[in-house]
Amino acid sequence: QSALTQPRSVSGSPGQSVTISCTGTSSDVGGYNYVSWYQQHPGKAPKVMIYDVNKRPSGVPDRFSGSKSDNTASLAISGLQAEDEADYYCCSYAGSSTLVFGGGTKLTVL
Amino acid sequence: EVQLLESGGGLVQPGESLRLSCAAAGLTFSSYTMNWVRQAPGKGLEWVSGISGSGGGTNYADSAKGRFTISRDNSKNTVYLQMNSLTNEDTAVYYCATARGHWGQGTLVTVSS
Repeated sequence: QSALTQPRSVSGSPGQSVTISCTGTSSDVGGYNYVSWYQQHPGKAPKVMIYDVNKRPSGVPDRFSGSKSDNTASLAISGLQAEDEADYYCCSYAGSSTLVFGGGTKLTVL
Repeated sequence: EVQLLESGGGLVQPGESLRLSCAAAGLTFSSYTMNWVRQAPGKGLEWVSGISGSGGGTNYADSAKGRFTISRDNSKNTVYLQMNSLTNEDTAVYYCATARGHWGQGTLVTVSS
C-alpha cells in the first residue's frame, strides 16, 4: 500500500498554532477510526500523541488535538513551545492486519 | 498501563537470521492485532508485518514477504518476528505496536559483515 501523504515540513513561532495534514484513501484513513500521531525527537523512540483519531493519552498536553475529515487526518498543535520541535508521523490502520505510515513532517519552532 | 517490551536484536552478518520477541502487558492481548514497525537510520517509520488477535491472519510489507514470519503466543502475551536472509537494508530499530498507539521502545538490528 502507498504511504500516507504529509507535508515535509511546517513551522511556527512560539505561542502560535500549526496543523499537520495526513492524506490517505478510503482504504485507510477514510475507512477506519484508527489514526494515530507520533512525535519523535532525535535519537528517541516515537511517542504517541493522538490515537483513535482524536484521543489523547494521559500526559499529553491538551495543546495537541486530532481530527479527521474524509480521507484526511490532521494534527493541530496550539501554543507552540520549543520542545514541540520534532518529527511527526501519522499512522492509519489499513485493514487485513496492516498499518500505513506517513513520510513524516519536521516541525520547526522559529 | 500498557507495556510492550521488544528483545532479540543484535549484530548479524548478511544472510543470517534473527528472531525478535515482544512481550505485552496491561492489555487484553488476544484482542489486539499486533504489528512490527521498523525505522532505518535517518529514515521514516515503515510497517513490516501484522498479525490478527487470533493469529489466523497475517500480512507483510513487500520488503518482508518470503523472508520474515510473524507469529504470536497468546498464552504468553508475546508476538514474534522471525527474520531470515537478512540484508544490510534490514538494519533498523524494530518496534512492536498496535493500531491504537501502544508502542515499545524498540530493539536494534544491525546487519553488517
